[in-house]
Amino acid sequence: AQSVAQPEDQVNVAEGNPLTVKCTYSVSGNPYLFWYVQYPNRGLQFLLKYITGDNLVKGSYGFEAEFNKSQTSFHLKKPSALVSDSALYFCAVSEPGGSYIPTFGRGTSLIVHP
Amino acid sequence: EAGVAQSPRYKIIEKRQSVAFWCNPISGHATLYWYQQILGQGPKLLIQFQNNGVVDDSQLPKDRFSAERLKGVDSTLKIQPAKLEDSAVYLCASSLSGPEAFFGQGTRLTVV
Repeated sequence: AQSVAQPEDQVNVAEGNPLTVKCTYSVSGNPYLFWYVQYPNRGLQFLLKYITGDNLVKGSYGFEAEFNKSQTSFHLKKPSALVSDSALYFCAVSEPGGSYIPTFGRGTSLIVHP
Repeated sequence: EAGVAQSPRYKIIEKRQSVAFWCNPISGHATLYWYQQILGQGPKLLIQFQNNGVVDDSQLPKDRFSAERLKGVDSTLKIQPAKLEDSAVYLCASSLSGPEAFFGQGTRLTVV
């Protein structure tokens, strides 16, 4: 069965500093990987995805993520954090073929301090 | 392009009452998902439809939850009777093909 782990409940970073939100996954085959962001009282918004190809994926709002197959990780990164990036971030994984059902991690709260 | 629409946004009911949520997916999206998101947790899949057929409902508590997708478009999720532990945000999502899903704003259910 597929699963996702987000080891940090909360990440704190100062505005202007780089940020990393960690995600590791477990699937039986090649993964499809996603990052979503959730602002208060809003639904999940898609940030980026890895399906195949280049291990470094660029997404919305300056975010990027690096797929590392040997470490089964898909960490979310941004070179310079903004206060407006403060939100809840979810990593998700699905397996190709069949139903593509995404399984979500429990989320990481990112707090960017001015 | 219009997004996934859900209603109501908020609902407060007493335990043992019934409640229904409605979802209108993005036009043309064949796949529709209902997720339950309890406070402090990630979304958990309840049911997935492909057109009007059920693909996966293994985590749907069928003794109290039911869902349907009429004509392969709109969907309703019903809880009857509700329990306190059903308090959560219910998210609807849709996808055209493949795994990328687009989410609605959700319905926040409080059971008192």
